[in-house]
Amino acid sequence: NAGVTQTPKFQVLKTGQSMTLQCAQDMNHNSMYWYRQDPGMGLRLIYYSASEGTTDKGEVPNGYNVSRLNKREFSLRLESAAPSQTSVYFCASSWGPENSYEQYFGPGTRLTVT
Amino acid sequence: AQTVTQSQPEMSVQEAETVTLSCTYDTSESNYYLFWYKQPPSRQMILVIRQEAYKQQNATENRFSVNFQKAAKSFSLKISDSQLGDTAMYFCAFMKQGTSGSRLTFGEGTQLTVNP
Repeated sequence: NAGVTQTPKFQVLKTGQSMTLQCAQDMNHNSMYWYRQDPGMGLRLIYYSASEGTTDKGEVPNGYNVSRLNKREFSLRLESAAPSQTSVYFCASSWGPENSYEQYFGPGTRLTVT
Repeated sequence: AQTVTQSQPEMSVQEAETVTLSCTYDTSESNYYLFWYKQPPSRQMILVIRQEAYKQQNATENRFSVNFQKAAKSFSLKISDSQLGDTAMYFCAFMKQGTSGSRLTFGEGTQLTVNP
């Protein structure tokens, strides 16, 4: 099992460019999440998908869109990148939305917007 | 909304000694879960230990244990017999139980350095 995989690992964008971060999990998990981690801060939830076909906003959703493509894949799109979106992005997945199931994290994508 | 506070940005400990990392949280929920995650330089987030709020007994995982004080809303992590591989950023996290999704709220983190 690869667990949670993310592509790309690193990306540099110019202000105004768009890109999609890809995430896939092979653990048959129902729920998936996107977080961002800024220096000196913990992870903050951007969007999540409690189950296939549903998505909801988290703490910091502005400037992002998501797509739960199928049960395995959950993508995060930046339509018009801004320097404030420079961060490390983590995808995570868990069995279900309603309890204490552990969240398994991907290795992260380091994004720099110039 | 829940908040999680880790008041120690950095800590250091000698190899083989014991260290305690502090975490406090604020919530009006009665059913919730608390976690400690470890993030080594590789950036991978690794679950260290989990505590259910309804359980009075403190969770333990080998050299890692917690001191959960529900009334005080405190959740500290004790690492015994510290090893060089324990050097990492440690995050305390809160999860509310419910149908709105098992979202985690993280603290700011504590950078732990284990010295030889």
